[in-house]
This record gives sequence, C-alpha cells and structure tokens, in this order.
Amino acid sequence: EADIYQTPRYLVIGTGKKITLECSQTMGHDKMYWYQQDPGMELHLIHYSYGVNSTEKGDLSSESTVSRIRTEHFPLTLESARPSHTSQYLCASSESDSNPTDTQYFGPGTRLTVL
Amino acid sequence: GDSVTQMEGPVTLSEEAFLTINCTYTATGYPSLFWYVQYPGEGLQLLLKATKADDKGSNKGFEATYRKETTSFHLEKGSVQVSDSAVYFCALTTVRGGSYIPTFGRGTSLIVHP
Repeated sequence: EADIYQTPRYLVIGTGKKITLECSQTMGHDKMYWYQQDPGMELHLIHYSYGVNSTEKGDLSSESTVSRIRTEHFPLTLESARPSHTSQYLCASSESDSNPTDTQYFGPGTRLTVL
Repeated sequence: GDSVTQMEGPVTLSEEAFLTINCTYTATGYPSLFWYVQYPGEGLQLLLKATKADDKGSNKGFEATYRKETTSFHLEKGSVQVSDSAVYFCALTTVRGGSYIPTFGRGTSLIVHP
C-alpha cells in the first residue's frame, strides 16, 4: 500500500483566493509529480521534482507553482484561483528517475472547485 | 515524441464477460510498459507492468503481453466482475532530459453490470 497523502481531499473556494494543495510521502522517494486530471480522465503532467530544491515544469502549462524543501513534501500553490483551475489534482512519487521500470505511487487526489 | 493510444470508452460489459482494452504505443528505444487502474474517488495504482519484449505482466486475473512487433500492450481479463469497474490507463516511461518520465494514455472507462 502506497504511503502518499494529499490534503484537502475536497476544496471549494472563491475566485482570487490563494490556495496550497499539500502532498506528502513517507517512502523516501526522490521523484515527485503533480498531475491535473480533466473530466475526461486524461492526466496532464504539470510539475515534477528530482529531489530537494529541484522543480521542473511538465507538459501542461500551469499557473501553479511548487516547492521541494524536504524530500517528503511537495506542495502546489495557486496565488489567485480562477474557475479555469477547477479540476482534480493528483500527486505521485517514484523511487528514482534513473530506472525505467519504477512504479509511480499516487495519492488519492484533491478535487478543487473554484467558484 | 513518445505517445500512448488507448481505445475510447466507456467499455460496458456484463459480469463474467471477456475484457480486452487495446493499447498501442510510439516510442524510441525500448520503453517499459504499464497498466494503472483508478477506482472511483481514488488515485491511480499499478495493475501490472512489463519491461521487455514478450514479457507478460499479470495481476488480479488481468494480463498484458509486451508485443514489440505490433507496438502493443493490450489488457485482457477472462471474466470481469462488477468490482473491476474503474478507469484503466496504459503508460510507458520515456527518457526526457536524462531521466525517465511517464507518459499516460487518455484512460478507458470500464463499466461492468451485474
């Protein structure tokens, strides 16, 4: 069973608010990811990290930002939420980035609704 | 770039029916191939994987064989259950900027009726 946690699970917030989605893993994994999942279920990689103090942008342009100050923690921040940010956000981790057979472990997701 | 193509859903079956979900890929080199499953209200979890040509991954009655000649990794199960209702994602790992980044298909929803 994966030990990766996301909070909150559900968030309804007004336009213009600043929000932070939390993601933590207790597996000691170096690699962490954020995906945005649209209503059609497709996954879009928006950010990833190789390790502490490393962050990279993914395939889908996103107004969100991330930080990686500790190995286990990879929060995602939206400075000013808009209705277009309404989506499901999934956090994941994997042991390394040098093994092509590594499994990704996913958190349960945060469903964000911006009114 | 590397990509994964899955059959469109939803796939609707009766309990005990045979399941096939098609997946084909385009990749340079020799990718590792994966099937992940997402149950309602949850994140994705690994269902099975195969790391080289002709390998068969299997788990919970599901199977998929890495076919390099047809660049395919179709998911099969002989007799589905209502509890198999979920979204299934085919994926591969591809080298990007010197490290391995996963690429997912668009997902195929499976609905199993009693």
